[in-house]
Amino acid sequence: AQRVTQPEKLLSVFKGAPVELKCNYSYSGSPELFWYVQYSRQRLQLLLRHISRESIKGFTADLNKGETSFHLKKPFAQEEDSAMYYCALSRSNYQLIWGAGTKLIIKP
Amino acid sequence: EAGVAQSPRYKIIEKRQSVAFWCNPISGHATLYWYQQILGQGPKLLIQFQNNGVVDDSQLPKDRFSAERLKGVDSTLKIQPAKLEDSAVYLCASSYGPDRGTDTQYFGPGTRLTVL
Repeated sequence: AQRVTQPEKLLSVFKGAPVELKCNYSYSGSPELFWYVQYSRQRLQLLLRHISRESIKGFTADLNKGETSFHLKKPFAQEEDSAMYYCALSRSNYQLIWGAGTKLIIKP
Repeated sequence: EAGVAQSPRYKIIEKRQSVAFWCNPISGHATLYWYQQILGQGPKLLIQFQNNGVVDDSQLPKDRFSAERLKGVDSTLKIQPAKLEDSAVYLCASSYGPDRGTDTQYFGPGTRLTVL
């Protein structure tokens, strides 16, 4: 079955601490994975995609096919990182399968 | 570029009533998606359009939900009659689609539906 799992509903860390949001997937083909973010009172937007291998707002994510994971990391959290984060997997027809999301709270 | 527009932003109705949502995608985007997002869950795809044709509506409860995308631009999603479990945020998203080789989806602000 095709599935995306985000095991943490809520993650709370202090400003300046490292952040890791976990994402595991189940997919029989070659996956294309994304992280989307929704800041308070804003619309859902793309944060990064694994195929780009880029760092956005200090966040990076590496696809680990052996562990079927695509964890999102940032070495030093900032207060403006507080948001809902969704991991998503793209199927061959460009449809996205979504995780349930993790609410990240950065404490001052 | 202007973003995906949706209206209304909020709607409160009683069960068994009807409701319609409207979406205007980004200009030039061939693919349009409607999602249902229940509180505490990720978005769930209801229907995907490519231009004015339906690509996938396998998760659309067709006994009460309907959607159309006339002329391949704007789209409407209707619920008739609504049930309590339809309370959710309804998201519209659009993308250039496979013809442009990109699948980045751009989302509207959503419509929050409350069924009493």
